[in-house]
Amino acid sequence: GAVVSQHPSRVICKSGTSVKIECRSLDFQATTMFWYRQFPKQSLMLMATSNEGSKATYEQGVEKDKFLINHASLTLSTLTVTSAHPEDSSFYICSARGLGGWAAYEQYFGPGTRLTVT
Amino acid sequence: SQQGEEDPQALSIQEGENATMNCSYKTSINNLQWYRQNSGRGLVHLILIRSNEREKHSGRLRVTLDTSKKSSSLLITASRAADTASYFCATEGDKIIFGKGTRLHILP
Repeated sequence: GAVVSQHPSRVICKSGTSVKIECRSLDFQATTMFWYRQFPKQSLMLMATSNEGSKATYEQGVEKDKFLINHASLTLSTLTVTSAHPEDSSFYICSARGLGGWAAYEQYFGPGTRLTVT
Repeated sequence: SQQGEEDPQALSIQEGENATMNCSYKTSINNLQWYRQNSGRGLVHLILIRSNEREKHSGRLRVTLDTSKKSSSLLITASRAADTASYFCATEGDKIIFGKGTRLHILP
């Protein structure tokens, strides 16, 4: 079955620093990856959609200069939280949509990364 | 942005009872999925129902979909303590959008 990994699983950083989160599709190629954010006791909110080799599409209200997304290959997308502040502390979850074959058109979710900004 | 609205927002039932959660959505969809999430953990995919399907079963789970009413329901039969979790519906068009979720608590 499809496996999507995220690294790191947990990260604590100081306010003002930048943090990079990686999302990898391990056994399939993904043209499209999605980034979600989840605050405690709330649902997942879609932040952005990234397509391999092109710019990400951000949802309304998400600052693209603060949340930098790079989808440089068919198996890797990264989310960089720049100049992080305590209000950015959240659970970040990625998902990947398969290019074709058995993984085509389905979205598979990573296990999430818990970011704590102190 | 959020597509779905679940109700109830929270549900507490006795172990062994059935739990029903409902989801309504706004736009046309390709499919609708239900996920479970234990506190502080990742998502567990439960079941996917396509827009041309009306009902689907998986073990103790039963999902219905009414595209004319833009609504779906998830029924968990013979609930267990391990079913305590948050349940989300998610609609898929060109992207997956999650509802607000139902927090289910199974009382021993």
